[in-house]
Amino acid sequence: DGGITQSPKYLFRKEGQNVTLSCEQNLNHDAMYWYRQDPGQGLRLIYYSQIVNDFQKGDIAEGYSVSREKKESFPLTVTSAQKNPTAFYLCASGVIDSSKLFFGSGTQLSVL
Amino acid sequence: QKEVEQDPGPLSVPEGAIVSLNCTYSNSAFQYFMWYRQYSRKGPELLMYTYSSGNKEDGRFTAQVDKSSKYISLFIRDSQPSDSATYLCAMSANNNAGNMLTFGGGTRLMVKP
Repeated sequence: DGGITQSPKYLFRKEGQNVTLSCEQNLNHDAMYWYRQDPGQGLRLIYYSQIVNDFQKGDIAEGYSVSREKKESFPLTVTSAQKNPTAFYLCASGVIDSSKLFFGSGTQLSVL
Repeated sequence: QKEVEQDPGPLSVPEGAIVSLNCTYSNSAFQYFMWYRQYSRKGPELLMYTYSSGNKEDGRFTAQVDKSSKYISLFIRDSQPSDSATYLCAMSANNNAGNMLTFGGGTRLMVKP
């Protein structure tokens, strides 16, 4: 069953803690993306990657980091430098030459 | 002013009604337009994808683009309670631009039995 799997569904972060959100896809897509969704706001791009071992900052990359060691995987780390991390985080993938994106089910991150 | 504006709603309609959801935008370079449906606490799923101006129909859904007015619409015929969700519009200037999508904030739709 092809798709994008995000885990965990809910995550809590303590002050000063780094947390990592997982994103795995078996759609054989080259491009992967991380978006942040806040209530009433459009999705905002955090980071994206179009090839293994390469990634680019999006509009709101500060306080976040990513890696792309495998085509299937694109984990996002929310660092302690991100002062307002509470949001719904969405991972997406797609083919390189298309703006049609396929999204995972999201991770809700909250601060304790 | 946001680049893409969308009324947040909620829009409440009775089952069977025709629903009209709209977005306005300011960037005249946008030429690819999408509508995504997002159920509560789930990821968005692509409903409609259109290029330039005109209409596109898929079952009960019709997407309409008016580039001269910088206005796009999604019509849902014979609305069902299962259509209750948040609808996001998205647009880009370049098809090779998964990283260049601009999203609206979404309109929450409630279809009551």
